[in-house]
Amino acid sequence: TQLLEQSPQFLSIQEGENLTVYCNSSSVFSSLQWYRQEPGEGPVLLVTVVTGGEVKKLKRLTFQFGDARKDSSLHITAAQPGDTGLYLCAGVVDYKLSFGAGTTVTVRA
Amino acid sequence: NAGVTQTPKFQVLKTGQSMTLQCAQDMNHNSMYWYRQDPGMGLRLIYYSASEGTTDKGEVPNGYNVSRLNKREFSLRLESAAPSQTSVYFCASSEGVEYYGYTFGSGTRLTVV
Repeated sequence: TQLLEQSPQFLSIQEGENLTVYCNSSSVFSSLQWYRQEPGEGPVLLVTVVTGGEVKKLKRLTFQFGDARKDSSLHITAAQPGDTGLYLCAGVVDYKLSFGAGTTVTVRA
Repeated sequence: NAGVTQTPKFQVLKTGQSMTLQCAQDMNHNSMYWYRQDPGMGLRLIYYSASEGTTDKGEVPNGYNVSRLNKREFSLRLESAAPSQTSVYFCASSEGVEYYGYTFGSGTRLTVV
């Protein structure tokens, strides 16, 4: 059983559409991180959210940390083919990162 | 700006063979980590080194050993490879976990036949 559950597992959308990826847990985290991984590469940090209720924007990507600090979401507006990749959320447990299984996003041109 | 460098990128082993995966970082980070990534299971921590001279087991340490050679280098050894160890292995380093995140290498794809 994953400490962090991500949904959906797979998401395929047309260029220009919006999408949301969810990351949920029964545990409280002091912070959550989001990474994007492209085929053949390691994950790359996108953002860290720290405060309950916090919203961070990175161009067309919006990250939200739940008020209770147990969940987070990633929303992409007007998705582009370059947004294609595996999106991973991660939380700190005992000073180490624990990862969700990831959401594979495919944006079709 | 090399970041985290892993070698080799690809490797095929026969069951029972041994090998060492190498990892080096040039960011002066204190902490280093080894993860494996399998389809549908995300990244699972094998071993980590919080600082030079220390190593600790992660979630899936069986069948592996590690050495923190110095502050820059952290190697992962498979003493007797098994097909269940077929995976993609990632090394990562961090300045501090909570706010800085991890920097990952590009991975080693290992197949054990």
